[in-house]
Amino acid sequence: NAGVMQNPRHLVRRRGQEARLRCSPMKGHSHVYWYRQLPEEGLKFMVYLQKENIIDESGMPKERFSAEFPKEGPSILRIQQVVRGDSAAYFCASSSGGENYGYTFGSGTRLTVV
Amino acid sequence: KNQVEQSPQSLIILEGKNCTLQCNYTVSPFSNLRWYKQDTGRGPVSLTIMTFSENTKSNGRYTATLDADTKQSSLHITASQLSDSASYICVVSGQGSYIPTFGRGTSLIVHP
Repeated sequence: NAGVMQNPRHLVRRRGQEARLRCSPMKGHSHVYWYRQLPEEGLKFMVYLQKENIIDESGMPKERFSAEFPKEGPSILRIQQVVRGDSAAYFCASSSGGENYGYTFGSGTRLTVV
Repeated sequence: KNQVEQSPQSLIILEGKNCTLQCNYTVSPFSNLRWYKQDTGRGPVSLTIMTFSENTKSNGRYTATLDADTKQSSLHITASQLSDSASYICVVSGQGSYIPTFGRGTSLIVHP
């Protein structure tokens, strides 16, 4: 059981480029959550997805950010035209569903925009 | 508005000492409360999960308590070790909600 796998671990992008962050949930998990963590701050919810569906994206900025969780393959968080303020650690968590099921987090992707 | 407040924001203790971290929440109706440990540069790792009917849960040197009436939880660390240096995050889920509420965490530093 490989756990939640995120890649890349570190990503450097120039302002204006696109960043694509990948998350493969634990085997058997069909619920994926994305969180952003700024330095010295807590985890902020961005989006909650199930296979092929966005369930809640209330924490996601309206522009430049999008997420998907296709029927096959990992979940993708895409940030277009990155700006310096997008620099943060992005964590993915997965669960088998329901409020009483614990999350399992990945190790995160650290995005640096230069 | 659902909120989770943790205290202290940061804590420094000597190796071998005990400490207690606090978590107060307003999430209602309550479903469960979890404590996570987040090492620097890593993702959070679950320590304990408690539902309404549970008031104590242990995981090795970590003991969590829950008072659902006062909406308070604590995480007690016994005989601290250098490897306990991390951020400890309290996370509360409401009934019927898939989106839990995260506290900002307590940063613990254990000195030799």
